[in-house]
Amino acid sequence: QVQLVESGGGVVQPGGSLRLSCAASGFTFSSYGMHWVRQAPGKGLEWVAFIRYDGSNKYYADSVKGRFTISRDNSKNTLYLQMNSLRAEDTAVYYCAKDAGDGYIHWMDYWGQGTLVTVSS
Amino acid sequence: DIQMTQSPSSLSASVGDRVTITCRASQSISSYLNWYQQKPGKAPKLLIYAASSLQSGVPSRFSGSGSGTDFTLTISSLQPEDFATYYCQQSYSTPPTFGPGTKVDIK
Repeated sequence: QVQLVESGGGVVQPGGSLRLSCAASGFTFSSYGMHWVRQAPGKGLEWVAFIRYDGSNKYYADSVKGRFTISRDNSKNTLYLQMNSLRAEDTAVYYCAKDAGDGYIHWMDYWGQGTLVTVSS
Repeated sequence: DIQMTQSPSSLSASVGDRVTITCRASQSISSYLNWYQQKPGKAPKLLIYAASSLQSGVPSRFSGSGSGTDFTLTISSLQPEDFATYYCQQSYSTPPTFGPGTKVDIK
């Protein structure tokens, strides 16, 4: 069965950095696009970033562009999100999600359990 | 960016009720509309993709319809496990955007 397990969340000061990981299993990771989606406390879902199956194309929300970098290691079945210059408004649960397709955004058919990132001094 | 709206923002219903949630896009998105269910403290779960296709394993009491700008999610007979928040999401263009959610709670 498909499993996505996020890790790397925690408390970080404003301006700091954090790297999230998402370990994937139960499907051919190298064949599917992957997303990061976040949810601030008590708020709705906000898409953060997408990477194609082979890492050749990446897309970002305007709110994180230039600060966050999505990447993947298909040999390790792992998705990453490098978050720099963190702000209080980045505080959220971060979910990784599998796309139903490979190259372009379709729908998110499986989600991890999420990892909480808190940006606070 | 395409803006998504949902109505109502919340509703109270009883077990066995028929429930309909509406989602509207700020421009035509053809049938590139997906629905997710989220329970408190849990990850979202895909229910419906491409406006009307039922995700594998999702009960048949859930259905979706619509195209263009107006879409609906219908639960034909509400069950206790269906009390949750429901989100629509467009995948017509990047960035993919979500609606604000509709919370369904117990009357």
